[in-house]
Amino acid sequence: SQTIHQWPATLVQPVGSPLSLECTVEGTSNPNLYWYRQAAGRGLQLLFYSVGIGQISSEVPQNLSASRPQDRQFILSSKKLLLSDSGFYLCAWIGGFQGAPNNSPLHFGNGTRLTVT
Amino acid sequence: SQQGEEDPQALSIQEGENATMNCSYKTSINNLQWYRQNSGRGLVHLILIRSNEREKHSGRLRVTLDTSKKSSSLLITASRAADTASYFCAIAQGAQKLVFGQGTRLTINP
Repeated sequence: SQTIHQWPATLVQPVGSPLSLECTVEGTSNPNLYWYRQAAGRGLQLLFYSVGIGQISSEVPQNLSASRPQDRQFILSSKKLLLSDSGFYLCAWIGGFQGAPNNSPLHFGNGTRLTVT
Repeated sequence: SQQGEEDPQALSIQEGENATMNCSYKTSINNLQWYRQNSGRGLVHLILIRSNEREKHSGRLRVTLDTSKKSSSLLITASRAADTASYFCAIAQGAQKLVFGQGTRLTINP
């Protein structure tokens, strides 16, 4: 069966420090991968998505970047965190090849709560 | 940009009552999806309803879609304390992106 792993679950980082959040998916090939951010009590903001290795689409110009070095690995990074980067970061995947949001559901990880101090 | 808007933002009912949440959107869709999020956790997919469908059921969940009014509703019947969560509608934007609304926070009081 397919599973998705996100780590760490919580993270407290000082302003100006770097960030690396990792997401891996098991049990599927060529998934579409997504990073969302959720502010407290709010909806989800799509940050990045990837349809293949090395292919990254950015939705919001900002302090963050994403990479997909392997088929089932998606990494969210920052060189210098800002206070406004605090939030709940969610990774999600959708089935590869024929899977797409216009015909299939997303599967989410359990998220990383990032607090920038 | 295309995004569902849920209504109400918050809903508090007694256990055993039915809960209804609504989602409105602005442009044509291929499908509309509903998700649930327990506090501090990831989202869980509930139901996907296609544009040519008017109603779908899953257990105590009933989703309707009215494309002429560009709206959808999620009904939870015989609510339980464990149904306390946030509920989101989501709409595909293009082929690869799924855009979420702000959600409805549902509280079931025992």
